[in-house]
Amino acid sequence: DTEVTQTPKHLVMGMTNKKSLKCEQHMGHRAMYWYKQKAKKPPELMFVYSYEKLSINESVPSRFSPECPNSSLLNLHLHALQPEDSALYLCASSRSDPGSTNTGELFFGEGSRLTVL
Amino acid sequence: GNSVTQMEGPVTLSEEAFLTINCTYTATGYPSLFWYVQYPGEGLQLLLKATKADDKGSNKGFEATYRKETTSFHLEKGSVQVSDSAVYFCALAPFSGGYNKLIFGAGTRLAVHP
Repeated sequence: DTEVTQTPKHLVMGMTNKKSLKCEQHMGHRAMYWYKQKAKKPPELMFVYSYEKLSINESVPSRFSPECPNSSLLNLHLHALQPEDSALYLCASSRSDPGSTNTGELFFGEGSRLTVL
Repeated sequence: GNSVTQMEGPVTLSEEAFLTINCTYTATGYPSLFWYVQYPGEGLQLLLKATKADDKGSNKGFEATYRKETTSFHLEKGSVQVSDSAVYFCALAPFSGGYNKLIFGAGTRLAVHP
């Protein structure tokens, strides 16, 4: 099983709504990531969790709130978003050990396409 | 610092043409190098990778060689198909202890016409 599963695939929300994006992996990876991708741009890193602890927050506005309930799950809670937050949100996972078999590869999900009205 | 520079697109080719997408990098240490592909409306898929100098990654007819002396990782394919139309991202991964902060190039859009 080498999949990262994201739900929902599409989400439309108003600026006053609260919603969540979910991500799950069963590869035993202990690092999980949220990326934001705007059209025709590369993915931008938002958050990194390593061993269920937040390791990186790339100065993301507080209306985005990540959560890592366990080593297989990663959530992104959304509240009071703006239309400019509309984008494809990608989850990824990777190995965490520094051994020679860790090639640094990230495994990406299909993404959740978010539209904020 | 670490960075990746890709040739600007879009690249438009006819079916069965030869493809080269240039990628150069700057990095401290010895990072792994990757090509990811993104088909329309989808997430990113790993296309190929190389973990040390002179390694050649290959997959689905695509190839790239990790050239330390020229700090390059150019993507090539001998005969492209319409189904290869996608955006291609070159990336490097400097291991940071516990996670991999992947650094992407800007992406190159490839359009292949019949």
